[in-house]
Amino acid sequence: GQNIDQPTEMTATEGAIVQINCTYQTSGFNGLFWYQQHAGEAPTFLSYNVLDGLEEKGRFSSFLSRSKGYSYLLLKELQMKDSASYLCAVMDSNYQLIWGAGTKLIIKP
Amino acid sequence: GAVVSQHPSWVICKSGTSVKIECRSLDFQATTMFWYRQFPKQSLMLMATSNEGSKATYEQGVEKDKFLINHASLTLSTLTVTSAHPEDSSFYICSARVLTGGDHEQYFGPGTRLTVT
Repeated sequence: GQNIDQPTEMTATEGAIVQINCTYQTSGFNGLFWYQQHAGEAPTFLSYNVLDGLEEKGRFSSFLSRSKGYSYLLLKELQMKDSASYLCAVMDSNYQLIWGAGTKLIIKP
Repeated sequence: GAVVSQHPSWVICKSGTSVKIECRSLDFQATTMFWYRQFPKQSLMLMATSNEGSKATYEQGVEKDKFLINHASLTLSTLTVTSAHPEDSSFYICSARVLTGGDHEQYFGPGTRLTVT
């Protein structure tokens, strides 16, 4: 079956760095997405990785290793507004998104 | 970045009535549009996938006669919840995908909160 695993919850301190991991097993691979979702709101697109390596976008970076079925989202210089759920999703061979359950990130002052 | 809008943002309706939700990609043409629903504290659940000019593909367990999807153009898709019941109360989110230089990018609308009384 298809499976996406990510931690349920993480806590970090304002100004620090946090890494949210995602491992996947899917039928085919056409890219991996990271989304941010604040409570009661729709997800916001953060990144898309289809090739191995690190993609940097400001304070957020996303890494992919296809051979290991592994990705991480790195958040630097954490701000209180970064408190949200972070969703990992993989596009399978049918171009459908398979979703992880999300990681709730709590930022403390 | 690309913007997807939904209308209305929230709606309250009586049991037995129908509700239409619009989803528009404002500054791009979407190759495919998706409809999701999300219950509190749960992950997104894909309801259906639609391509412009063709019938939507519904996920298992989603009633196509109850959730009518019309994809009139590359920038507009509508979801109609027919004969709504309280158990249909949920957060409905549309998403639009665009293929850019070989990369898939998928953007979400702000969602529509439906409450059926």
